[in-house]
Amino acid sequence: DQQVKQNSPSLSVQEGRISILNCDYTNSMFDYFLWYKKYPAEGPTFLISISSIKDKNEDGRFTVFLNKSAKHLSLHIVPSQPGDSAVYFCAASGSSFNAGGTSYGKLTFGQGTILTVHP
Amino acid sequence: DAGVTQSPTHLIKTRGQHVTLRCSPISGHKSVSWYQQVLGQGPQFIFQYYEKEERGRGNFPDRFSARQFPNYSSELNVNALLLGDSALYLCASSLNVGWEFKPQHFGDGTRLSIL
Repeated sequence: DQQVKQNSPSLSVQEGRISILNCDYTNSMFDYFLWYKKYPAEGPTFLISISSIKDKNEDGRFTVFLNKSAKHLSLHIVPSQPGDSAVYFCAASGSSFNAGGTSYGKLTFGQGTILTVHP
Repeated sequence: DAGVTQSPTHLIKTRGQHVTLRCSPISGHKSVSWYQQVLGQGPQFIFQYYEKEERGRGNFPDRFSARQFPNYSSELNVNALLLGDSALYLCASSLNVGWEFKPQHFGDGTRLSIL
C-alpha cells in the first residue's frame, strides 16, 4: 500500500527554467510534508517542508505547494541549476501511536524522482 | 556543527550472520530514527527511539532490533541476515519525537551487502 507516490521516475529540465516535481498521497491523517534531495553516496538532505495548515511555503529558489483537497503537493525550483540534479523524495508525516498510546513521527517516503538539469 | 554520523560506511556480510550499525545524532537531538532504503525505492521506516525508549516500529521482522544510549547515540542490530537485507541503512535525528513539524536530518548511511 503506497501511501505516498511520485509518479514521475525522472524529469529533465534546461538550466534557468522551472522544475516541477509532483507527489500524491492517500492518507488524510498526514499533516506535515517534506522534500528531500539525495546525491549518490550521500544521505537525503532536507530541503523544505510545509504543514497542513498552509498551502504554500517558500525558501529561496524552492517553493512547495500543498493542495489538501486533491491530496497533492509539488516542489517548484526556479531557476533550475545543474547542481540541482539529484533524486528528490517527498515524505509525509502524521501522528502515529504505539501500543502504549504514545505518539511518534515516522516519515513515509515516495519512490523518488530523478531530476536532471542540463546546462 | 557535525551532522548525523553513521558507521561503518560500507559492510559486507554473508547470510546468517549478525550486523551492528551505529549512529550519532546531531548535538541536542534526542530522537533517532532508522530507515532502510533498497535500490529504486524511498526509505522505509524501521524504528524511532526517544530518550532511550522505542517509540515506534515499522513493518520489519523481529530480526531487527535497536537501542539508544544515554548520549542519544543508537545502534541497529540485524540477526540471521538474508539476501534481502542488502540495502542502504539510514539514521535520522530530530529535535523531538512527535509530529510537531520538525524535520528529520539524515546521515549518509551504511551500505550493507549480503553475499
